[in-house]
Amino acid sequence: KAGVTQTPRYLIKTRGQQVTLSCSPISGHRSVSWYQQTPGQGLQFLFEYFSETQRNKGNFPGRFSGRQFSNSRSEMNVSTLELGDSALYLCASSLAGIATGVTEAFFGQGTRLTVV
Amino acid sequence: QKEVEQDPGPLSVPEGAIVSLNCTYSNSAFQYFMWYRQYSRKGPELLMYTYSSGNKEDGRFTAQVDKSSKYISLFIRDSQPSDSATYLCATGGYNKLIFGAGTRLAVHP
Repeated sequence: KAGVTQTPRYLIKTRGQQVTLSCSPISGHRSVSWYQQTPGQGLQFLFEYFSETQRNKGNFPGRFSGRQFSNSRSEMNVSTLELGDSALYLCASSLAGIATGVTEAFFGQGTRLTVV
Repeated sequence: QKEVEQDPGPLSVPEGAIVSLNCTYSNSAFQYFMWYRQYSRKGPELLMYTYSSGNKEDGRFTAQVDKSSKYISLFIRDSQPSDSATYLCATGGYNKLIFGAGTRLAVHP
């Protein structure tokens, strides 16, 4: 059974640019959550999608957005990149999703974004 | 006060030792509890998942939840150098899944 796949694994962008990250969840999983991980802040919740609808959102500025497609694949977009956006971006998939009482959440390997 | 508190360590133990990792949480509404292991430059890997007070065992790993004191623990028996990683606790309920800061564990031969 394939796991959670995130692409690309590494990205280098310059300030002011925008970036799109992709996440393919485990087959059958309808919930995809996105997290930002930095040494100083740890794992911070960005947002969660379930059946193409954003159900939960963390405390991040509007530059961070996402969407989910009918096949449950999800994308995350960050516009007007800042140096502080450099982080490991992780997505996690689960069967039920946070709002309905999450079952186990499985993570991808992450996309390491460096903003220069 | 953070909703989930976890000592970041680092924690260094000899091979074969019993390791105890702990977290406290503040919200009594949190219903489920997970432990993840994260190796350097990798995504977190789910180790244990539970939604009730008490113990859950899986091989050398035991997860313990005490809802009355809002305390969760992970015990690793017969620790191995391959257990060297960062261990993250996670908990949540309706609409939330929150992670601790992670404890860095080093098991030396």
